[in-house]
Amino acid sequence: SQTIHQWPATLVQPVGSPLSLECTVEGTSNPNLYWYRQAAGRGLQLLFYSVGIGQISSEVPQNLSASRPQDRQFILSSKKLLLSDSGFYLCAWSVTEKLFFGSGTQLSVL
Amino acid sequence: DAKTTQPNSMESNEEEPVHLPCNHSTISGTDYIHWYRQLPSQGPEYVIHGLTSNVNNRMASLAIAEDRKSSTLILHRATLRDAAVYYCILRGGGAQKLVFGQGTRLTINP
Repeated sequence: SQTIHQWPATLVQPVGSPLSLECTVEGTSNPNLYWYRQAAGRGLQLLFYSVGIGQISSEVPQNLSASRPQDRQFILSSKKLLLSDSGFYLCAWSVTEKLFFGSGTQLSVL
Repeated sequence: DAKTTQPNSMESNEEEPVHLPCNHSTISGTDYIHWYRQLPSQGPEYVIHGLTSNVNNRMASLAIAEDRKSSTLILHRATLRDAAVYYCILRGGGAQKLVFGQGTRLTINP
């Protein structure tokens, strides 16, 4: 069966520090991969999605970047975090009509 | 992406049916109607989706209007565990991404 791993579960980072969040999927091949962010009390915002290795589509201009170095690995990065980068970050995958989400990373930038 | 309109919040009682409405007057012929729900501090989970005909699964039923400009998610017998934010989303056939709106926050009273 397919599983998605996302870590860490919580992260506290100072403003200006770098960020790397990793997501891996097991049990499937060539999935579509997604990064979403949810600010406190708000809806989900699609940040990036990828249909294959090295193929990244960015949905909103921002302080973040994404990479897909392997088929089932999706990484969200920042060189310098801003206060506004705080939020709940969710990785997701799909191969059919359904989207499956990871457990999320709660990022607090102080 | 075609937009959906949902009430911000709804309230119901335990063991009663719940009807969650969604308007999508600009839906195109190839748009599928998807429903997800998000429990507190978790990623969204797939509930159901359909194109034209009503759909049933173990979680819920989806009733789609004949003109497809609206739909209703039906929880036949609500439990406290059904308290969540419910998202109604349109996804074009072959589209790679899923864009979430604000959803409906469902409260279930014991």
